[in-house]
Amino acid sequence: DIQMTQSPSSLSASVGDRVTITCQASQDISNFLNWYQQKPGKAPKLLIYDASNLQTGVPSRFSGSGSGTDFTFTISSLQPEDFATYYCQQYDNLEVTFGPGTTVDIK
Amino acid sequence: QVQLQESGPGLVKPSQTLSLTCTVSGGSISSGNYYWSWIRQPPGKGLEWIGYIYDTGNPYYSPSLKSRVTISVDTSENQFSLKLTSVTAADTAMYYCTRDHPEVTNAYDIWGQGTMVTVSS
Repeated sequence: DIQMTQSPSSLSASVGDRVTITCQASQDISNFLNWYQQKPGKAPKLLIYDASNLQTGVPSRFSGSGSGTDFTFTISSLQPEDFATYYCQQYDNLEVTFGPGTTVDIK
Repeated sequence: QVQLQESGPGLVKPSQTLSLTCTVSGGSISSGNYYWSWIRQPPGKGLEWIGYIYDTGNPYYSPSLKSRVTISVDTSENQFSLKLTSVTAADTAMYYCTRDHPEVTNAYDIWGQGTMVTVSS
């Protein structure tokens, strides 16, 4: 099984801050890495697919990078609506695994 | 625009079988080579992939749940379903059905609203 880790598990930030979350896979997953945003009581929303591609309709302040085992998700200027939990997710060799999540809250 | 809606009992007794259905509207479950998946989330915890059925006929399950899970498709009803046997309190969760992105395998761009299932006697 491929295991995913995320860091930090939570962070506090202010509106306008640059936020970076990292995700690490236990083995090489190429670029089969997606990022989701989940707000309380809502289903997750796909933001980034294949490590660096912005899903249609998602603001350009969100970005992703990386390949192999190490990936980064960035919010360039945090907005009030961005306070949420973010998950990475890999798909490789038929199986799917989610990272444990990173909660971004207000400082 | 395709939409998904989960349905099923909100309360299941321990040792019984959890059965959920996901109804697809706005498109045919038979069109396109999609992965139709189930994902769950225990209260206050993260997301767990349960499994998918690909192109309406080829299921694949999480190794940790494989012995208890069945995912199937009913094309006549435009639905796919989840059965989880021998449930325990650890199976209490919000259950989501999803469909993947038309160009990216297992990137879930369409989600149902979720249905909460509690396992309790």
